[in-house]
Amino acid sequence: GQSLEQPSEVTAVEGAIVQINCTYQTSGFYGLSWYQQHDGGAPTFLSYNALDGLEETGRFSSFLSRSDSYGYLLLQELQMKDSASYFCAVSPMDTGRRALTFGSGTRLQVQP
Amino acid sequence: GAGVSQSPSNKVTEKGKDVELRCDPISGHTALYWYRQSLGQGLEFLIYFQGNSAPDKSGLPSDRFSAERTGGSVSTLTIQRTQQEDSAVYLCASSLGGGETQYFGPGTRLLVL
Repeated sequence: GQSLEQPSEVTAVEGAIVQINCTYQTSGFYGLSWYQQHDGGAPTFLSYNALDGLEETGRFSSFLSRSDSYGYLLLQELQMKDSASYFCAVSPMDTGRRALTFGSGTRLQVQP
Repeated sequence: GAGVSQSPSNKVTEKGKDVELRCDPISGHTALYWYRQSLGQGLEFLIYFQGNSAPDKSGLPSDRFSAERTGGSVSTLTIQRTQQEDSAVYLCASSLGGGETQYFGPGTRLLVL
């Protein structure tokens, strides 16, 4: 089976940098994805790591280390609008399907 | 272009009634997924359709849940004899070909009284 662990809550101030960690136990997966979800909204895709290393997309970066069963999402120059929940997710290989298994999410609160 | 749409946006029903939730995926997307999200929780996989292949129903929590996808496009999730624990947001997503980037609809908020 698969399980992904994330901190339940993180608080940071505007302009700062925050890292949201995701550790996982899974037999194998295609890649690690990150989704953002504002309260009452739909999850939106942020980033995907198929290979180990860092992927950068504007203010957001994501990292994966398969050997350490670990990944993270890095948000730089935090803005108030970044206050949302962030989910890591994997697409497990053992079922052959590409549907995602999600972590329970990290609620980020950005303070002025 | 148009994103994934779902209807209704909100549904209140009485315990024991049947409900139907609809999803219109992005045109051209062959993969369609249904997830369920309880308050403050992550997303729970329910069912996955890929093209004309048999759907992966491994996430459906009970035989009261079923889904179909007509013509490779619109999908309907049906919950029979609803229970209070079925109350959640039901999210639909689509992707080009079972790819990692999934595009989510706004969800249907189901409340079973």
